[in-house]
Amino acid sequence: AAGVIQSPRHLIKEKRETATLKCYPIPRHDTVYWYQQGPGQDPQFLISFYEKMQSDKGSIPDRFSAQQFSDYHSELNMSSLELGDSALYFCATARVTGASGNTIYFGEGSWLTVV
Amino acid sequence: DAKTTQPPSMDCAEGRAANLPCNHSTISGNEYVYWYRQIHSQGPQYIIHGLKNNETNEMASLIITEDRKSSTLILPHATLRDTAVYYCIVLPNDYKLSFGAGTTVTVRA
Repeated sequence: AAGVIQSPRHLIKEKRETATLKCYPIPRHDTVYWYQQGPGQDPQFLISFYEKMQSDKGSIPDRFSAQQFSDYHSELNMSSLELGDSALYFCATARVTGASGNTIYFGEGSWLTVV
Repeated sequence: DAKTTQPPSMDCAEGRAANLPCNHSTISGNEYVYWYRQIHSQGPQYIIHGLKNNETNEMASLIITEDRKSSTLILPHATLRDTAVYYCIVLPNDYKLSFGAGTTVTVRA
């Protein structure tokens, strides 16, 4: 079965550079979530989109932005990168429309290392 | 949002059942209980979820108390590959999935 696809899997950037992470949801999923997981920490919610509109915002820095496109894939843009942005970034998707109790599936994550 | 309480860690012998408790005393009537696990540095893996009835799938069983204030995830025959952090999450209506501290389960040979 198709899963949530994230790219790139690994990324190394220098301080003050910009990075873009991509997330391709499971077909028919209309909702995308982004999470950040620092070393030894639990995943922290950053931002979510439902039907291409931002639906919720968590602890996302102002240097970060995201959007969901017409094909439902999403991109997380990170600018002016700092060493502390080094983390594992997860995307999760779900089909929320029309039912409750649907499953949220996660991608394998994108490792960002800022040097 | 309903919060959950889980023990920070537990050990389990390989081949035995692992019973992971979770308290969610402030859960609302239409909020589901979800369980995920995360094996080191991999994406959280969905295990099972339920509303009020007990649920079973190929990975685990979920037992929810009648008052829905607590639940237990049962891994029937733990293997070394089940070593992971297990998260019990109550999903609010806005579908914002928030992770707590979870239970670190170590399966020992």
